[in-house]
Amino acid sequence: NAGVIQTPRHKVTGKGQEATLWCEPISGHSAVFWYRQTIVQGLEFLTYFRNQAPIDDSGMPKERFSAQMPNQSHSTLKIQSTQPQDSAVYLCASSFNTGQLYFGEGSKLTVL
Amino acid sequence: QQNVQQSPESLIVPEGARTSLNCTFSDSASQYFWWYRQHSGKAPKALMSIFSNGEKEEGRFTIHLNKASLHFSLHIRDSQPSDSALYLCAVSPDYGGSGNKLIFGTGTLLSVKP
Repeated sequence: NAGVIQTPRHKVTGKGQEATLWCEPISGHSAVFWYRQTIVQGLEFLTYFRNQAPIDDSGMPKERFSAQMPNQSHSTLKIQSTQPQDSAVYLCASSFNTGQLYFGEGSKLTVL
Repeated sequence: QQNVQQSPESLIVPEGARTSLNCTFSDSASQYFWWYRQHSGKAPKALMSIFSNGEKEEGRFTIHLNKASLHFSLHIRDSQPSDSALYLCAVSPDYGGSGNKLIFGTGTLLSVKP
């Protein structure tokens, strides 16, 4: 079991550019979560899917952030017109209805 | 809106000490309570969880929950240098609408000195 796989591990973008982050959940897990981690704010919930359907996006900044789960084997988080304040580690997690989240090692986004 | 707070923000203890980490939450309808541990540059990993008032022990780790006080804690017996990490508490709301979404605290950074 390879665990949750996130790519890229590091991404550097210029202000105003687009960034797309990918997540491959653990096979058989029905729920996929996206979180953002910074020193100041800690681990913030962004959005999640269950059986590929969007369930709760209450943590997503509405204007520039979007997430999709086109099939059960991957999810994407897209940030348009990136800003320096978007710099963070973006963590994906999957779950099999036990309440326990299994996290990937994250994608570190740096916006210059 | 669930508010989860942790204390202390950071902690340095000698090897072999007993360590206590605290977490408070604001939503009295919360059902599930977790502790995760994150070593530097690594993924957060679940340590243990509790669902009802009282105490639960697993090896050197003990979790206490007091729902009436909106408080739970993690105690580490015989702390080891390998326990040095960021400890995150997390709370899951009632299953009514959000499933098993977890709301995390900002963490306690623990350093265990040999």
